Amino acid sequence: QTVVTQEPSFSVSPGGTVTLTCGLTSGSVSTSNHPSWYQQTPGQAPRTLIYNTNTRSSGVPDRFSGSILGNKAALTIRGAQADDESDYYCLLFRTDDTWVFGGGTKLTVL
Amino acid sequence: QVQLMESGGGVVQPGGSLRLSCAASGFTFSKSGMHWVRQAPGKGLEWLANIGYDGRDKHYADSVKGRFTASKDNSDNTLYLQMNSLRIEDTALYYCGKDLNWGCDYWGQGTLVTVSS
Repeated sequence: QTVVTQEPSFSVSPGGTVTLTCGLTSGSVSTSNHPSWYQQTPGQAPRTLIYNTNTRSSGVPDRFSGSILGNKAALTIRGAQADDESDYYCLLFRTDDTWVFGGGTKLTVL
Repeated sequence: QVQLMESGGGVVQPGGSLRLSCAASGFTFSKSGMHWVRQAPGKGLEWLANIGYDGRDKHYADSVKGRFTASKDNSDNTLYLQMNSLRIEDTALYYCGKDLNWGCDYWGQGTLVTVSS
């Protein structure tokens, strides 16, 4: 069964840029998967950052952007701040009309 | 503003049933699809179910297909998740989410389900 892959962890310096990716163990991610991205800090509900590949959710700063890079979906964070330290999840829509989350990336800002 | 509030969680024995509710406000519920997502303790997010705006189209993750049923009461702005044949591994925080362009744009705060003997 195809699994959605994300980097388990990533580190970025304050003010730096980081790109998190979301791939498939079999095949490529495309705009047809309508990738979306969510930020979650411990004890909190998820917060929507990006939906439909590259549309920012209401109130999300333009430091966050979504794209397709090669065969993966990507979330780029520019000008990383301390409060960006969170878990980040991608969600993909599949051809059988179901959805699946990636395992998440734990982002450290230091 | 959009608000989603889950309720109905609790402690249930393996094999038991529970019905979760998600009260929606601040948007046209009858025109919105909805999702159920859960998160086991210390684990990542798991998508469970999607229901179309009119409650007719429904799709489920394999892990809950045949045991969980999503429904939607557009007259009462409430989403439901009927959970039967509960297992230990169903223990999680359950979230409802409002669908937008194949993702979720708003989330509730979650309701905790614990399956334990």
